[in-house]
Amino acid sequence: DTGVSQDPRHKITKRGQNVTFRCDPISEHNRLYWYRQTLGQGPEFLTYFQNEAQLEKSRLLSDRFSAERPKGSFSTLEIQRTEQGDSAMYLCASSRGQGIADTQYFGPGTRLTVL
Amino acid sequence: AQKITQTQPGMFVQEKEAVTLDCTYDTSDPSYGLFWYKQPSSGEMIFLIYQGSYDQQNATEGRYSLNFQKARKSANLVISASQLGDSAMYFCAMREGIDDYKLSFGAGTTVTVRA
Repeated sequence: DTGVSQDPRHKITKRGQNVTFRCDPISEHNRLYWYRQTLGQGPEFLTYFQNEAQLEKSRLLSDRFSAERPKGSFSTLEIQRTEQGDSAMYLCASSRGQGIADTQYFGPGTRLTVL
Repeated sequence: AQKITQTQPGMFVQEKEAVTLDCTYDTSDPSYGLFWYKQPSSGEMIFLIYQGSYDQQNATEGRYSLNFQKARKSANLVISASQLGDSAMYFCAMREGIDDYKLSFGAGTTVTVRA
């Protein structure tokens, strides 16, 4: 299997602009997750999908954030009206969805800098 | 309350020596999974090892082993025969319950291997 891929790897934007990130999971993984990681901290859960259904959203995910996974394949995470506090690494992960030992495999992340 | 606590922000270890990274967790759910990930400076989270709450034996994966002490709610990672390439950030994470799929991460421990 090829690993989880994310695009772009880096994004610099001005405050107030909209940005969209893409994640391609490992093929046949039916679960997909988004996390956010700020400098010096561990990742924090944002949302996850089982196939195309978004099953849980963190309170961290404000109304400016939206995620989709059309057809249960790739996923996009959009941030509208970006703020400087949105600057972080956005990590995507996928898993097969089998039992308690279900392991999440992460992509390389998208580093967002909001000026 | 913090679900995962990693109390060592940074550690130095001599090449070829072993190092133990501490992780304590907090959950009331009898079913949970504990994961360790490695994050090199490139940013990608690499899965290392998994321990289930019902597993009778400590998990091992090559040079990685997990010292699981359920009563003390600790899941320390042991890296044996350290190599320069082991220099990275290490995160402990927990998944609680069979119906909850998100991971809760600790703040991480930076390991620097010295030649």
